Amino acid sequence: GNSVTQMEGPVTLSEEAFLTINCTYTATGYPSLFWYVQYPGEGLQLLLKATKADDKGSNKGFEATYRKETTSFHLEKGSVQVSDSAVYFCAPRYNTDKLIFGTGTRLQVFP
Amino acid sequence: ETGVTQTPRHLVMGMTNKKSLKCEQHLGHNAMYWYKQSAKKPLELMFVYNFKEQTENNSVPSRFSPECPNSSHLFLHLHTLQPEDSALYLCASSQDGQEVEKLFFGSGTQLSVL
Repeated sequence: GNSVTQMEGPVTLSEEAFLTINCTYTATGYPSLFWYVQYPGEGLQLLLKATKADDKGSNKGFEATYRKETTSFHLEKGSVQVSDSAVYFCAPRYNTDKLIFGTGTRLQVFP
Repeated sequence: ETGVTQTPRHLVMGMTNKKSLKCEQHLGHNAMYWYKQSAKKPLELMFVYNFKEQTENNSVPSRFSPECPNSSHLFLHLHTLQPEDSALYLCASSQDGQEVEKLFFGSGTQLSVL
């Protein structure tokens, strides 16, 4: 079946460091791709999305580009803040209309 | 405040207990979902309700029993659970069962089964 793989966490960074969280998905069809974020003590919320190849989703300084050739949707941010500490979920959506969530990657940013 | 409220926030229960998780959404949505979040595992979709009708059950054991009396409320009844059922249970809602990227999640119930 379809699946998604995220890098294991936790990812630990100092404030203002560059962030990359890797995500690869099963290359079945042309899924829409999403990143969700879960802040401490809260539920998940949509961070950004891309619906076709080469699209770039962006929000709150985060970016991710839909790379069909590498079946990847890596999340990046140029300069992280302590407030970005959270769990990040990559989630493709195939024709079933259901999101397939990854395991989540915990990001810890220290001052 | 996301408009989706879950109670209780924390629950500790023994394997012989019966308890219920409650979810209420104030967003006027017509689809509601239960997810299970366990450490180092993908977020698992358990149940989907659309207009109060269950449209998906992802092979969830019968010790989990959902109930959706109306479009605003969703319950998860628990009985004779196992320690491996300990997890964060998340409720979510959306305006249309098809537009899943527009999910709004509650903060979850952290369940511990002893």
